[in-house]
Amino acid sequence: GAGVSQSPSNKVTEKGKDVELRCDPISGHTALYWYRQSLGQGLEFLIYFQGNSAPDKSGLPSDRFSAERTGGSVSTLTIQRTQQEDSAVYLCASSSPPFSGEETQYFGPGTRLLVL
Amino acid sequence: DAKTTQPTSMDCAEGRAANLPCNHSTISGNEYVYWYRQIHSQGPQYIIHGLKNNETNEMASLIITEDRKSSTLILPHATLRDTAVYYCIVRPYNYGQNFVFGPGTRLSVLP
Repeated sequence: GAGVSQSPSNKVTEKGKDVELRCDPISGHTALYWYRQSLGQGLEFLIYFQGNSAPDKSGLPSDRFSAERTGGSVSTLTIQRTQQEDSAVYLCASSSPPFSGEETQYFGPGTRLLVL
Repeated sequence: DAKTTQPTSMDCAEGRAANLPCNHSTISGNEYVYWYRQIHSQGPQYIIHGLKNNETNEMASLIITEDRKSSTLILPHATLRDTAVYYCIVRPYNYGQNFVFGPGTRLSVLP
């Protein structure tokens, strides 16, 4: 597709369960970002991948959160032992390679996570 | 923390121009002004960005003051579908800089 896609669109889980959220960036985009947005709040940066470099994990709120990006394309955000405060919309964005003249981030539709 | 200040909310009549202001008085020389919007239940949508010159695309125009301390996003003919939260973001044009979104301006386009 032409844009960033995310799956699932919605996820309801029970407290203590693990969840995996998937992001498919725009083809050719080497940078990938994860953000989350709690109800009525702004976006909170979580993690950033650029090519094969070590990811910037400075925004991850706890060690229950992890992310990986296989083959420089698809990324999975994993939340272990989910808590109710993890309920939010998780957004993925991607952007073009460096020095391409276009570093605008394009966002996916998000995954709405509800932890009961 | 966001480096921008925007009004909390604005109304605009359908068909009229919507002018959304943004103050960024501490902007640095290498920082661009980006505008995104977020329609309810959707991911943020890129609108436009600029450094110091005014910019125009199919969605909007961006007017940046000469001192670059403020800017205005202009939607020339607002429609009901333009109702959204509009975010003004200041960000270096360096790779790997995440976007810091403030609370934005909630624009309501009224029939």
